[in-house]
Amino acid sequence: RKEVEQDPGPFNVPEGATVAFNCTYSNSASQSFFWYRQDCRKEPKLLMSVYSSGNEDGRFTAQLNRASQYISLLIRDSKLSDSATYLCVVSPIYNFNKFYFGSGTKLNVKP
Amino acid sequence: DADVTQTPRNRITKTGKRIMLECSQTKGHDRMYWYRQDPGLGLQLIYYSFDVKDINKGEISDGYSVSRQAQAKFSLSLESAIPNQTALYFCATGGTSDSAYNEQFFGPGTRLTVL
Repeated sequence: RKEVEQDPGPFNVPEGATVAFNCTYSNSASQSFFWYRQDCRKEPKLLMSVYSSGNEDGRFTAQLNRASQYISLLIRDSKLSDSATYLCVVSPIYNFNKFYFGSGTKLNVKP
Repeated sequence: DADVTQTPRNRITKTGKRIMLECSQTKGHDRMYWYRQDPGLGLQLIYYSFDVKDINKGEISDGYSVSRQAQAKFSLSLESAIPNQTALYFCATGGTSDSAYNEQFFGPGTRLTVL
């Protein structure tokens, strides 16, 4: 079983829609969680860090469910510029050499 | 200016050649990493370094070597390139040695093609 699993998508949504992605992880010792955004052939860029139950930043909300071992990313009022691949990353805290990357979920926001 | 830079951005080379990918950062971070990304796959860790005297193998280090020339510089070498090393390579930094947080910040990537 993979350490981190994501639905590859693509998720095709209209502008203004709300969309949510889930990411499941297998290691219950995982303590730090991240969502990165990656545009085609570009570097991953940090979107949100999740160290407790969740985090919110504008239109973006990340939720952590430790009991079911998943994190979610909710995007409200989708913009065309949100089209990208969203990577889930999981790591045991204080373990700076263990980062498990999901293969990403692709989002296409259509006009 | 970008905090994490990589050179070259694109490189085409032939099987058996030695090549070096370079990474520099101005973030003042101690931790630096090299990853490769293949289409449809997650990033895989090649090597990492927590300070100038600390070098560690990641999950796919065979065929690669690294050098940490300074806090700000971390280079990746392919001693004898082979076609299955064709990939997108990212350098990343990840905080100072006394930081408990482990967010990573990526360079723009080097697209390497081995013919």
